[in-house]
Amino acid sequence: DAGVIQSPRHEVTEMGQEVTLRCKPISGHNSLFWYRQTMMRGLELLIYFNNNVPIDDSGMPEDRFSAKMPNASFSTLKIQPSEPRDSAVYFCASSFTDAGAGELFFGEGSRLTVL
Amino acid sequence: AQSVTQLDSQVPVFEEAPVELRCNYSSSVSVYLFWYVQYPNQGLQLLLKYLSGSTLVKGINGFEAEFNKSQTSFHLRKPSVHISDTAEYFCAVTLEYGNKLVFGAGTILRVKS
Repeated sequence: DAGVIQSPRHEVTEMGQEVTLRCKPISGHNSLFWYRQTMMRGLELLIYFNNNVPIDDSGMPEDRFSAKMPNASFSTLKIQPSEPRDSAVYFCASSFTDAGAGELFFGEGSRLTVL
Repeated sequence: AQSVTQLDSQVPVFEEAPVELRCNYSSSVSVYLFWYVQYPNQGLQLLLKYLSGSTLVKGINGFEAEFNKSQTSFHLRKPSVHISDTAEYFCAVTLEYGNKLVFGAGTILRVKS
């Protein structure tokens, strides 16, 4: 079974451009998470969905960030407009959670560089 | 809200030596605890988890961790490390029946020959 698939693996863009990161979770998983990893701040939870519904977006930095999950097999994280401080590795993870404590399965990440 | 503190940012150790990576958590309610490993340029993968029951939890690659409720700790140990164990290790916590995993800052384990 394929794991969590993220694209693109690497993205270099200029400040002000729109960036869209994509994620395909593991089939059958009902929760999806977007994390951001930087040297300064470590791993930060940006948003998570349960059954395609956003449950907690308190980690989304500001209005420039938005995330959608139109169906159980696809999610996007969009940054518009992008800024150099958004440079980071963005991870998508999925899990099957019934009563909590589901193991998170991570994708390989999308490394974003904003010039 | 729950939080996690990993006390060491880097731990250098020689091959075949034992290692302990320390993790303390803070929560006013029952929690589940996890250790994840991240190899360079890869995502995180689960090493082990504590949900309930025996406080000594065994994971993959010979790692184990002990849950100590009185000390609010969940330290990771391996009796003999290999070069291939060089990676970053993350302790994480979620509330019991919760869904939001909070990660510590990570500990880089460097195994030297």
